[in-house]
Amino acid sequence: GAGVSQSPSNKVTEKGKDVELRCDPISGHTALYWYRQSLGQGLEFLIYFQGNSAPDKSGLPSDRFSAERTGGSVSTLTIQRTQQEDSAVYLCASSTELAGDNEQFFGPGTRLTVL
Amino acid sequence: SQQGEEDPQALSIQEGENATMNCSYKTSINNLQWYRQNSGRGLVHLILIRSNEREKHSGRLRVTLDTSKKSSSLLITASRAADTASYFCARVTGGFKTIFGAGTRLFVKA
Repeated sequence: GAGVSQSPSNKVTEKGKDVELRCDPISGHTALYWYRQSLGQGLEFLIYFQGNSAPDKSGLPSDRFSAERTGGSVSTLTIQRTQQEDSAVYLCASSTELAGDNEQFFGPGTRLTVL
Repeated sequence: SQQGEEDPQALSIQEGENATMNCSYKTSINNLQWYRQNSGRGLVHLILIRSNEREKHSGRLRVTLDTSKKSSSLLITASRAADTASYFCARVTGGFKTIFGAGTRLFVKA
């Protein structure tokens, strides 16, 4: 497809369960980002991947959160032992490798609800 | 908090009026970007201004950057009902790490 896609679009889970969120970036984009947005709030940076460099994980809120990017393309954000405060929209974005000119293209997000 | 300061938090204007939103930050930046988010189109990039630039225009948008004051403003001229959305500034601090502000909710009344 032409844009960033994310799946699932909605996820309802029970507290304590693990969830996996998927992001397919724009083809050829080497940078991929994950953000979290709570209702009515701004975006909270979680992690970014750039090419073969080590990812910047400085925004991950706890060790229950992890992400990987396979083959420099698709990325999966995993939340283990989900808590109610994890409920939010998780947004993925991708961009070209040009640091300083990195307009980010966002996917539609995954709305996570932890009951 | 990662987020910078944006003001106002909310703004309501009549169609045809201008809307100004401000963004302040604390650390040095490589560039600053503005994004718009509405329910129909999600989060969309509007304009990017580099740290060595002072002003940029794109259609009805004008962005200014004052690195000495660590602030930026977004002006939307001749606003339309379709401009109703949340507007976020995003600061690229180093490499690719991007910090978003809390946003300004703009409502344009027809």
